[in-house]
Amino acid sequence: DGGITQSPKYLFRKEGQNVTLSCEQNLNHDAMYWYRQDPGQGLRLIYYSQIVNDFQKGDIAEGYSVSREKKESFPLTVTSAQKNPTAFYLCASSMGRLGNEQFFGPGTRLTVL
Amino acid sequence: AQSVTQLDSHVSVSEGTPVLLRCNYSSSYSPSLFWYVQHPNKGLQLLLKYTSAATLVKGINGFEAEFKKSETSFHLTKPSAHMSDAAEYFCVVSDIDSGNTGKLIFGQGTTLQVKP
Repeated sequence: DGGITQSPKYLFRKEGQNVTLSCEQNLNHDAMYWYRQDPGQGLRLIYYSQIVNDFQKGDIAEGYSVSREKKESFPLTVTSAQKNPTAFYLCASSMGRLGNEQFFGPGTRLTVL
Repeated sequence: AQSVTQLDSHVSVSEGTPVLLRCNYSSSYSPSLFWYVQHPNKGLQLLLKYTSAATLVKGINGFEAEFKKSETSFHLTKPSAHMSDAAEYFCVVSDIDSGNTGKLIFGQGTTLQVKP
């Protein structure tokens, strides 16, 4: 099956810890994206990558970091510098060309204890 | 700069009645527009997309949307609501101003409630 997988589905973190969210796609898409979703709000872009070994900050990149060492993988690290990390995190991918839709993973719900 | 406004944060309909979710966009160019659906604690699923072909776009699960340039609208409709349609719906525009990045701009979402 082609698609996007995210793991884990639920993640709990203590304050001061870094955590890494996994995102893998087998759609052969060039571009990948990370979004944050808070209750009752739309999606906000954290980071995006149009090509391997390159990525750009989105609208709310502070306290987050990413890497894109492989085309299939785009992990997101939530660092201790992110002051309010509790949220639903969604990964997406697309062909990267303008007008192409993005395909979304099932999401990871991160809760800070 | 592109933007998208969903005019209703919450819509409630009875099962079997029509659905109308309203979306207005702002764009200096001919935009690409999308509607996505999100069920609780799930990812987003594409319902339909407009990319300057036919102005009436048919999507999955009986949904359709009409692109009206003169009104800068892209409203989502369905003739008869089903209980399984209860979800959050997002109107989305592709961000042309940022160059060829494929970035999307999301509306705030409309929660559709379907009553039996």
